[in-house]
Amino acid sequence: QLQLQESGPGPVKPSETLSLTCTVSGGSISGSPYYWGWIRQPPGKGLEWIVSIYYTGSTYYNPSLKSRVAISVDSSKNQFSLKLTSVTVADTAVYYCASGSVAGLFDPWGQGTLVTVSS
Amino acid sequence: QSVLTQPPSASGTPGQRVTISCSGSSSNIGSNYIYWFQQLPGTAPKLLIYNNNERPSGVPDRFSGSKSGTSASLAISGLRSEDEADYYCEAWDDSLSGHVVFGGGTKLTVL
Repeated sequence: QLQLQESGPGPVKPSETLSLTCTVSGGSISGSPYYWGWIRQPPGKGLEWIVSIYYTGSTYYNPSLKSRVAISVDSSKNQFSLKLTSVTVADTAVYYCASGSVAGLFDPWGQGTLVTVSS
Repeated sequence: QSVLTQPPSASGTPGQRVTISCSGSSSNIGSNYIYWFQQLPGTAPKLLIYNNNERPSGVPDRFSGSKSGTSASLAISGLRSEDEADYYCEAWDDSLSGHVVFGGGTKLTVL
């Protein structure tokens, strides 16, 4: 059964780049016909989808974040990563990684990691 | 403002049946599956319903989903105190090269 775990460097300053990694266990990230994605949740607010990548490399973006987002897969480490550039305090959120066999299906999820953007 | 519209709150007493609505459009709910997630305080969301009305293994049959046109509903029967949580609907949207849309979430209170 797939398990996902987010990791990241900690607080980020405004205008810098937020970088997060999701480590996948229980299955191969490249061999499985899955979608791998990132979702975030600002404190006290709802869920916002950021980006998803299919195992073929096809990528789908939240239109409102597309210009600042990059997603990549490292098959050798069984990880996928998120980069969000030019962050502001509005990007402060719990960031979740998730996977699914169909676009839009997210199961399972990682436990989430809080990223704070502050000077 | 979320693409999918949910009521911000819902409530019920133990044993009651509660429904949560989710309204969208032809490009999302109208043409794709709807998913429902339950988020207990301080935890990651958990898939509750997939493919409009299917329950993953382990989800009690007290939870059921339905879809009609561009709207969907989550029903919880035999309400229990542990059902108090935030509930989110979600769907794939075919517009703008395809993307995921969430509802704003509904906070369910068990009185």
